[in-house]
Parts: sequence; C-alpha cells; structure tokens
Amino acid sequence: EPEVTQTPSHQVTQMGQEVILRCVPISNHLYFYWYRQILGQKVEFLVSFYNNEISEKSEIFDDQFSVERPDGSNFTLKIRSTKLEDSAMYFCAIVAGLSRVYGNTIYFGEGSWLTVV
Amino acid sequence: AQTVTQSQPEMSVQEAETVTLSCTYDTSESDYYLFWYKQPPSRQMILVIRQEAYKQQNATENRFSVNFQKAAKSFSLKISDSQLGDAAMYFCAYRSEVAGGATNKLIFGTGTLLAVQP
Repeated sequence: EPEVTQTPSHQVTQMGQEVILRCVPISNHLYFYWYRQILGQKVEFLVSFYNNEISEKSEIFDDQFSVERPDGSNFTLKIRSTKLEDSAMYFCAIVAGLSRVYGNTIYFGEGSWLTVV
Repeated sequence: AQTVTQSQPEMSVQEAETVTLSCTYDTSESDYYLFWYKQPPSRQMILVIRQEAYKQQNATENRFSVNFQKAAKSFSLKISDSQLGDAAMYFCAYRSEVAGGATNKLIFGTGTLLAVQP
C-alpha cells in the first residue's frame, strides 16, 4: 500500500492563528485530497487537487482554507485564521496512479490532529 | 447526489465468530467503486476491501468479504474468525467512476463501531 506521511501528527494552536498541515507522499502522485473528521463524526471531504489545481472543493473549504504543492512534492493545507470548530483530524489522501490495482483507490495518511484552543 | 448509509452505529462479536456490517447507498450512476475502511483507536484510515460495481463477483481479502447487491444498492462486510485486533470503527465509502475519474471524492457513511469480545 502506498505510503503517505503527514506532519505534524498533533498540533495545538490558539484561535485566530494560521496553521499549515503537510502531506508528503513517498512516490510521485498526481491526485491529492484533504479530508477532515471531527471527533465522533463522519469523514468529510474538503478538497481535491490535480495537476497543481483544485479540482473540487466542498462547502467546508471556504476562504479560510487553501492548498498548494509548492515544491512538487509536499502537499499542504493552510488554515489562515483557525476557529474552535476547526478542531479535527485532518487526513491527506492520494490516488496511487492509474494502474488497475491501485488506480481507483484512495489511500490515507495517518492524519494530523488539530486542536484549536 | 450520492449518499451512503450505515444503519448500525455499534456492533459486537465474540472472538472467532463471524459478524456482518451493513451498508446501503444511493446513486443513479452505474460505474462506481465501493470500499470499506477500518479506523482503529489510532484513528488511521486503513483500506480493508474494495469492490468494482461492474464486477458481479464479491471481493474477498483473507477473513474479510463483501456481499455486493447492485440492484438493492447494498454492500455489507463480513468478518470471519473475528480477532481482537478487528475492533475498530468501520466506514463504508462510495466513489464515482463517472466524469472526473480519479479526482472523484470518497463519500463516507457514518461508521459502525465494532467491539470484539474475548
């Protein structure tokens, strides 16, 4: 199974502060996603990113959120001014290429747990 | 819009026994993929099994198998010979194969929390 590394694993931040969550896939990938999971709730789609552009975003992904892939490797999610309700586990996910075995399966990183206080 | 429903918030099984987790979905599409993900207490999302809608044969992965009923839009997960390590939250998920292809997002159900009793 393809590996996706996320940093930090856990971050505590003050409300109103900016947070950057990072995702580093082991191999080259084209398709990236961010999902979030508020404690005790379902996993929610935030945004998909392909070829250095946003392909789709949810209603949750408002102007406070942004994504980029600045160096062709790391994939980042930025929250400009965090709110208490942004406290959640944030998952980076990738589609492992277009092979018959992996091409339509989304693999998740281990998650970044964000606590806003 | 597609939806995924898991009607069992919690389930319990004895070690070495078999348990079935239910999932139904709603879609007007004919090409799609279905998945079961496992989320242990570590909160990592681990792929358990996947099913392509165009395949009639049910997918199996060791002790895990699915019962895919396309007409009924049902996709249940069977865990045989349950082990203590199977205790986790299990999410059913849908992914469209139409239009956007690989960029299509996963749509999740609300999850079923499985407890395994020794």
